Amino acid sequence: QVQLVQSGAEVKQPGASVKVSCKASGYTFTTYTIHWVRQAPGQRLEWMGWINADNGNTKYSQKFQGRVTFTRDTSASTAYMELSSLRSEDTAVYYCARASCSSTTCYAGFDYWGQGTLVTVSS
Amino acid sequence: QSALTQPASVSGSPGQSITISCTGTSSDVGSYNLVSWYQQHPGKAPKLMIYEVNKRPSGVSNRFSGSKSGNTASLTISGLQAEDEADYHCCSYAGSRTWVFGGGTKLTVL
Repeated sequence: QVQLVQSGAEVKQPGASVKVSCKASGYTFTTYTIHWVRQAPGQRLEWMGWINADNGNTKYSQKFQGRVTFTRDTSASTAYMELSSLRSEDTAVYYCARASCSSTTCYAGFDYWGQGTLVTVSS
Repeated sequence: QSALTQPASVSGSPGQSITISCTGTSSDVGSYNLVSWYQQHPGKAPKLMIYEVNKRPSGVSNRFSGSKSGNTASLTISGLQAEDEADYHCCSYAGSRTWVFGGGTKLTVL
């Protein structure tokens, strides 16, 4: 069965960087795009961007442009999200999610999600 | 890119039907039939319930249905059950390979 398993919780100081991993199993990793979504405590889901697991192309939300980097390791079926210059407002649960592909499009939504990684930014 | 607008909360009694709205703009909801809905229980990851406005993934109850009119999409849950109590989030493709989520709606089953 399809699974996305993320790395564990992190506590970081303001100004530091964090790197979260997302290991995929149960399907061919390079066939689907991986999206990253975050959710601050009690807040809405916020789309951060995506990485094409096949060719490594990326797209970032304007809000995070310049501060976030998505990478992937196809040999390990793992995607990574690195967020730099952390501030308290970045405290959130970060999710990876697989793009949902229907018969007509791969823009249909997100069908499988990781369990989430809590990143706490605090001095 | 502004968030889609959802009511903060809705409620209903077991067996009733409820509808959650999701209002966007002509640049997102109004332009694409690519609205999806997610159910999220406390402390859990979101679960895809509806994609492409009105399609249900395998395994999702047919009590869940979606629709769209203009810039507003809707999720309807019929035959409300206690286990439906959760947060519901809408999401729309917004062009240029970007997506936008709604503010989320808390459903309470009375």
